[in-house]
Amino acid sequence: ETGVTQSPTHLIKTRGQQVTLRCSSQSGHNTVSWYQQALGQGPQFIFQYYREEENGRGNFPPRFSGLQFPNYSSELNVNALELDDSALYLCASSPGIFKNIQYFGAGTRLSVL
Amino acid sequence: QKEVEQDPGPLSVPEGAIVSLNCTYSNSAFQYFMWYRQYSRKGPELLMYTYSSGNKEDGRFTAQVDKSSKYISLFIRDSQPSDSATYLCAMSARQGAQKLVFGQGTRLTINP
Repeated sequence: ETGVTQSPTHLIKTRGQQVTLRCSSQSGHNTVSWYQQALGQGPQFIFQYYREEENGRGNFPPRFSGLQFPNYSSELNVNALELDDSALYLCASSPGIFKNIQYFGAGTRLSVL
Repeated sequence: QKEVEQDPGPLSVPEGAIVSLNCTYSNSAFQYFMWYRQYSRKGPELLMYTYSSGNKEDGRFTAQVDKSSKYISLFIRDSQPSDSATYLCAMSARQGAQKLVFGQGTRLTINP
């Protein structure tokens, strides 16, 4: 177990709704990254947060947004859900210096109907 | 063209076989290479982390990087049914890099 916890485990939403996913990072890790993993594909980088600031973003539209809190936990918000947003959303935490050593949680499986 | 290419398989081998999993990449800036194992309905688990070219061994697992060919491999010796999972390669340009670039993943089944 990595110590990275995500909630909820599963979520079903309808098109146009908004969703918030949550992540608690591993103890001592101040960097959180979010990825989207479609079925049968590798994870795609959404964005990263370091010390409560966005620290890099992948090729995702602005309706994907996030937050990091002082305790380094994080939220991923997705507005105006589309059918293609159905995927496994993964959170990864890493120690500040080695941001590319990333430890993943079990993910939140989002289904958009 | 994708930055990282990985044969999705599926790959099925008998227990005890040596397994070879491979990725190729196009971005010569990549210097850090990882292998993750992902069981069904779980998050990816970091198996190996290597820097630049060369070999790294950890128990039954050996990671190999050939930067001149832009080719990385993961070898699994004495494969076990518990090794059945999807294996993902991932890469980054720097230690401080924000994102990992993943391959598609190879689904591996070890048959008892």
